[in-house]
Amino acid sequence: QQQVKQSPQSLIVQKGGISIINCAYENTAFDYFPWYQQFPGKGPALLIAIRPDVSEKKEGRFTISFNKSAKQFSLHIMDSQPGDSATYFCAASMSTSGSRLTFGEGTQLTVNP
Amino acid sequence: GAVVSQHPSWVICKSGTSVKIECRSLDFQATTMFWYRQFPKQSLMLMATSNEGSKATYEQGVEKDKFLINHASLTLSTLTVTSAHPEDSSFYICSPKGPLQETQYFGPGTRLLVL
Repeated sequence: QQQVKQSPQSLIVQKGGISIINCAYENTAFDYFPWYQQFPGKGPALLIAIRPDVSEKKEGRFTISFNKSAKQFSLHIMDSQPGDSATYFCAASMSTSGSRLTFGEGTQLTVNP
Repeated sequence: GAVVSQHPSWVICKSGTSVKIECRSLDFQATTMFWYRQFPKQSLMLMATSNEGSKATYEQGVEKDKFLINHASLTLSTLTVTSAHPEDSSFYICSPKGPLQETQYFGPGTRLLVL
């Protein structure tokens, strides 16, 4: 019930295309859903996050879509750029359990020029 | 976001020696510190959680006597890998957290290689 399932494991997109990464969760007590971007040899960096009271959040080229009934959320990267090539992790946490993050397995995104 | 530093950024040591990794939150006070371990091409695995001034809580399967965590202040936490072995070679990442879920940040990581 604590798991967060992420797909695909890897994704190759052409420059200018849309990258879509999906995550699904089981525990309905999760109330915070962040996405992290990680470059090789670096720590993860928060990209964008959403709470279950909204269905979509957009920040620049990054959008989170959230479907509470389906217990799914996804990251959309519009106009993907080679500099977006990185590993992306979705995560979830619940405020009632110390806010520890449960991470998805990660998606390695490659944006070809 | 907040500024988090880790030192050293990478370390190579001989099997059987101990290694200390420092994590500093430079511009905010971390009431909670998470320590993660990440193996190549894998996700982050939570090792332990500590609150300032309290003993750390370790995840199942993580040896508390091998991975010593100290969270003596709101801006400094240390992870000591005692009697390191090659299987401890990994990428260790600290994650200080403030009072809100949105105030959790990650350090740049420390690459440990045990020969």
